[in-house]
Amino acid sequence: NAGVTQTPKFQVLKTGQSMTLQCAQDMNHNSMYWYRQDPGMGLRLIYYSASEGTTDKGEVPNGYNVSRLNKREFSLRLESAAPSQTAVYFCASAGRVAGSEIQYFGPGTRLLVL
Amino acid sequence: EDKVVQSPLSLVVHEGDTVTLNCSYEVTNFRSLLWYKQEKKAPTFLFMLTSSGIEKKSGRLSSILDKKELFSILNITATQTGDSAVYLCAEGGGSNYKLTFGKGTLLTVNP
Repeated sequence: NAGVTQTPKFQVLKTGQSMTLQCAQDMNHNSMYWYRQDPGMGLRLIYYSASEGTTDKGEVPNGYNVSRLNKREFSLRLESAAPSQTAVYFCASAGRVAGSEIQYFGPGTRLLVL
Repeated sequence: EDKVVQSPLSLVVHEGDTVTLNCSYEVTNFRSLLWYKQEKKAPTFLFMLTSSGIEKKSGRLSSILDKKELFSILNITATQTGDSAVYLCAEGGGSNYKLTFGKGTLLTVNP
């Protein structure tokens, strides 16, 4: 039981390049999330998917797209990377407990855009 | 807009000290309050507090929720260097169960 996995662990891009961050979970969760973390800014929600086939914008969606490929996988795409997108990206999936949800995080992808 | 504020932003203590971390929230529709620990990697879940579970304890860590005053505290007794981390508080009342995170408290425990 791996929980939430993310690839790659680290990536360097040049401005304007594109890439896709992959996320998969094996906990049979319906909800999945993408966050970015910048120093001193905490975790900010980029996009989320409440169930297979649905996606919605979070707090900072500009410059990103997502795909909920199936129940297990939720990918994040940067079409044209910018230095402002340098951050650590976390994927999470959530299980329902006592009328609320607990999110479990993947190990993160450290992205540097030059 | 839902808001979660943590204090202090950073804290330095010596091994063996007791620390209290604070989290206040302003939300339109409270559902739960969660605490996470983040070392140099992903946040890991510690506790979830709800209207039906306002006090949680695990070893040296404990947490309480005050729904009337809209805050929660995380207590760590007999701190160890391994407790050094950023502690994140999050409120889970957003639409579709989204979490709103505070900026975190950086705890440093010196030997």
